[in-house]
Amino acid sequence: EVQLVESGGGLVQPGGSLRLSCAVSGFSVSGNYMSWVRQAPGKGLEWVSVIYSGGSTYYADSVKDRFTISRDNSKNTLYLQMNSLTAEDTAVYYCARQYQRNGQLDYWGQGTLVTVSS
Amino acid sequence: SYVLTQPPSVSVAPGKTARITCGGNNVGNEGVHWYQQRPGQAPILVIYYDSARPSGIPERFSGSNSGDTATLTISRVEAGDEADYYCQVWDSSSDHVIFGGGTKLTVL
Repeated sequence: EVQLVESGGGLVQPGGSLRLSCAVSGFSVSGNYMSWVRQAPGKGLEWVSVIYSGGSTYYADSVKDRFTISRDNSKNTLYLQMNSLTAEDTAVYYCARQYQRNGQLDYWGQGTLVTVSS
Repeated sequence: SYVLTQPPSVSVAPGKTARITCGGNNVGNEGVHWYQQRPGQAPILVIYYDSARPSGIPERFSGSNSGDTATLTISRVEAGDEADYYCQVWDSSSDHVIFGGGTKLTVL
């Protein structure tokens, strides 16, 4: 059975940092394309970042140079390191498997809430 | 960057057909994917590559894509179909995933 379980969300002050984790079972993180998608309260879905099976990474302009996507193959876990957080980063963050480069996001986690506030 | 445009809301009576559009420049040349999101839940895939249905998704859900518009069609709409629906493509020029703004489907 495929499962994606995010963790690491919480309350953080503006300018602070947080690392999200996405523990995956049922398929290999290293052999797949993995994305982070976020959703601000009451808003739509916003793609954040992707890591390809070959290791290439890409970021939305809104998070580039502040967020870093990575993976630990031994733990089959995806990460999102978030630095210099602002109130605009407040959202539920989902990890998802991207079937291939132009493919669908076919498996999603349940999401973890990040709140940036003083 | 590539933009996908969806109507903010669509309303339909139970048993009728709902059509949700997703507009984009030559979107017919792209593979469009559709997601359903109920309140408080994660999105789920309902249509991929324009018209393919994942296992477990009812046949009432179908998709098409041509020219500048992709369409998600839900036949014989049920109360349980009430949700937000998002279209999505991949922008090859930037290697970015692009979502439409989402459409709230209301079952009257």
